[in-house]
Parts: sequence; structure tokens; C-alpha cells
Amino acid sequence: AQKITQTQPGMFVQEKEAVTLDCTYDTSDQSYGLFWYKQPSSGEMIFLIYQGSYDEQNATEGRYSLNFQKARKSANLVISASQLGDSAMYFCAMREWNSGYALNFGKGTSLLVTP
Amino acid sequence: EAQVTQNPRYLITVTGKKLTVTCSQNMNHEYMSWYRQDPGLGLRQIYYSMNVEVTDKGDVPEGYKVSRKEKRNFPLILESPSPNQTSLYFCASSLRQGVDGYTFGSGTRLTVV
Repeated sequence: AQKITQTQPGMFVQEKEAVTLDCTYDTSDQSYGLFWYKQPSSGEMIFLIYQGSYDEQNATEGRYSLNFQKARKSANLVISASQLGDSAMYFCAMREWNSGYALNFGKGTSLLVTP
Repeated sequence: EAQVTQNPRYLITVTGKKLTVTCSQNMNHEYMSWYRQDPGLGLRQIYYSMNVEVTDKGDVPEGYKVSRKEKRNFPLILESPSPNQTSLYFCASSLRQGVDGYTFGSGTRLTVV
């Protein structure tokens, strides 16, 4: 079964607007971590933000924030004030600390920021 | 600089010709992993290693081998590559409880003809 689901294959957003990329996850572990990565067209994987399952506050890193709703098992990425350089693939991933440390990825969302 | 180094970046090879993609990290990470990325499928784990001499299969291990003789190195071996192994490959490493996720290599784009 898919552990990470990203339902938006592609998204458009206008420069300077905020955008939310959806991510839902499936786990029976109580202890896990949620990650978001950015992959620009050059191909490298860039770590953006982390949320632990026991963290009570939503994670923030600059213009990135993670809207963590544990009961709904969702971990949406919010990018504020989008920039043209934000155009990329975005991957949500989960690591279950009691289950072998693998990082399970969703299929990704392609974000295009338009002028 | 802390990094994961993969080589080569690009490789075109023929069916059946054994090849090795090297991966090395300088962060003293215990955990290392190989992923392949295919359009529409995201990243899928091939093999991983929890520490030296400890390796295990991921989701798509068929056709691949790995070894972990030293902590820093984790090569990916394709004994007899086939066209369905044409893909973008990533090596990654992390601390065992790394809340910074994985550090990824730059990727190896492999084409098997």
C-alpha cells in the first residue's frame, strides 16, 4: 500500500502568491518523521523541511511551512510568496523510526510559478 | 564540505555489460541507501545499509547488488544491466535518527541500450 500520497500531479501559482502542496500518509507507527524535498530541473534533491510526529508546533523554514494535521494524517507544504525559482518537483516523504529507517516517497507534485 | 559523491553522473551502456556506480559520503553516516527515480513513480528504494556489512533489500532490488565494506562507501552494482534499468539513480545517507532527512548525491542518469 502506498505510504505517501500526493494527489496533485501538477500545480500552477502566480509569483508572490502562496501555494499549498498536499500530502497524506499512512502509518501505524507512533514515531515517524515527515519530510519535504525539492527537485529542480537540474535534478538534485534539496531537503526543505522536517516535522516529527511528536512535534506539537508546525515546522517552519523561511518561506516554507508544514501544515501538520496528525489526526487526518496530512502534512501539507505551504510556500509563501512564491518565486520563479520555486518551480520544481516537490516530494513528500516519511520515515518510520521503528521500521527500518527507509525514507518512503510520494510520486511528487510539479509546481510551476508564473510571472 | 559535507556531501555524498556519486560517480558517474551520466552513463550509457549496453545490455549485459556489468557496471558499478560508486557512492561515498564524508559525514560518518551509518545509514546509506540507493533509490531509482522514474517518471510518475517517484523515488523507490533499491537497497539500504544500516551500517558496515549490514545491507537489506528495498522495494525494487531485482537486478542490483550492493556492498558496504567501509562506512563511507556504498557502491551499486548492476551485474547484467537491462533496458528496464534505465533510470535516474540517487545515493543518499543519513544518521540513524537523522531529522535532517537524507543527504542526496547529485544523481546518476543511466541509459541501457
